[in-house]
Amino acid sequence: GAGVSQSPSNKVTEKGKDVELRCDPISGHTALYWYRQSLGQGLEFLIYFQGNSAPDKSGLPSDRFSAERTGGSVSTLTIQRTQQEDSAVYLCASSLAYQGSDTQYFGPGTRLTVL
Amino acid sequence: RKEVEQDPGPFNVPEGATVAFNCTYSNSASQSFFWYRQDCRKEPKLLMSVYSSGNEDGRFTAQLNRASQYISLLIRDSKLSDSATYLCVVTRGTGGFKTIFGAGTRLFVKA
Repeated sequence: GAGVSQSPSNKVTEKGKDVELRCDPISGHTALYWYRQSLGQGLEFLIYFQGNSAPDKSGLPSDRFSAERTGGSVSTLTIQRTQQEDSAVYLCASSLAYQGSDTQYFGPGTRLTVL
Repeated sequence: RKEVEQDPGPFNVPEGATVAFNCTYSNSASQSFFWYRQDCRKEPKLLMSVYSSGNEDGRFTAQLNRASQYISLLIRDSKLSDSATYLCVVTRGTGGFKTIFGAGTRLFVKA
């Protein structure tokens, strides 16, 4: 079946612009996660959704970052007034249920470059 | 100190070698443990979950020592296709949990 998809695959933007990243989880998966991976670094946990609810937003790097999920499916991560340090690969993952023991399936990521 | 720490690597080994990856975690409330594999410029994929009783999947063996807060992954008879970055992953929390990834250890298997 279809896996997690993300769009765009690559995004180049100018400093100060807003960007929106999209994630389509695996159908039926109730939990959705956003991570960021900078060059040569490990994954940084940003936010998770249980259904449409994001109970803990403390992982978001700053108030320029926001995320939403509608219909228990698609999620968007929005970065306002992008900065060069926002350049990274943004990965989305989903799992069947919201349990720490569940396997997370990752999408291919969006490579964001802020000039 | 990072909450999940792995060998910095990289590991360079010949085909057929046995490779051991080590991982330690600092939060004793950690509950679930995994090894993920990430190929270059690709997304991470689950390799195996790690249980206290230890688990084996073909050439791969994972062990968890809760007392020492230590996780290991052993790859026997390594193949060229095993070349990748191996990520140690820990989740903790009840109700709302957090997933913490180690920085990963890069493995190069050479002919």
